[in-house]
Amino acid sequence: DQQVKQNSPSLSVQEGRISILNCDYTNSMFDYFLWYKKYPAEGPTFLISISSIKDKNEDGRFTVFLNKSAKHLSLHIVPSQPGDSAVYFCAASGTGNQFYFGTGTSLTVIP
Amino acid sequence: EPEVTQTPSHQVTQMGQEVILRCVPISNHLYFYWYRQILGQKVEFLVSFYNNEISEKSEIFDDQFSVERPDGSNFTLKIRSTKLEDSAMYFCASSEGPPSRSSYNEQFFGPGTRLTVL
Repeated sequence: DQQVKQNSPSLSVQEGRISILNCDYTNSMFDYFLWYKKYPAEGPTFLISISSIKDKNEDGRFTVFLNKSAKHLSLHIVPSQPGDSAVYFCAASGTGNQFYFGTGTSLTVIP
Repeated sequence: EPEVTQTPSHQVTQMGQEVILRCVPISNHLYFYWYRQILGQKVEFLVSFYNNEISEKSEIFDDQFSVERPDGSNFTLKIRSTKLEDSAMYFCASSEGPPSRSSYNEQFFGPGTRLTVL
């Protein structure tokens, strides 16, 4: 039951360019969305979030866009840096404490 | 900077054995969570815990699983009789407050315990 999907398992981007990571969800009750970044041998760390009352949230180089009608969100990283190379998970929540994660996208930023 | 710690980093056990995974959440946090990630798959929520009781659990968290906060600092996940399919990375997380629709209390994750069931 894959309620949150990240269809691209990997992405490679040149340093300085934009990285766009995509996420789709199926449950229309989801109203809070997050992106996590994970380095090898570490736990996921929170990156940025967005609630369903917004369609965009920006934090420095990171911007999350939410398209509720398409049940789609994306994370834009501009400009991409080698230190951004990690696995990025999107997660979604409706009522309750439970977050549903995607399978992750491995981003490689090439110097 | 405060962080969530987990021990051991890697646990190998025989099928049918009991394992206890340990976590020390951030000291002023009140909400605690366990997640697991089977290799190559998504991170899955197992359980959340607040005020010494389970506040929410997923369908994965069946009777073979239990959680406990035995001494006010540790937060443990016990798997009573391990199965091969329990092999995964188990992440503990903690937050100051609960997730809510209007604000989010960031969940801080530990580095994980890799459980291998043979």
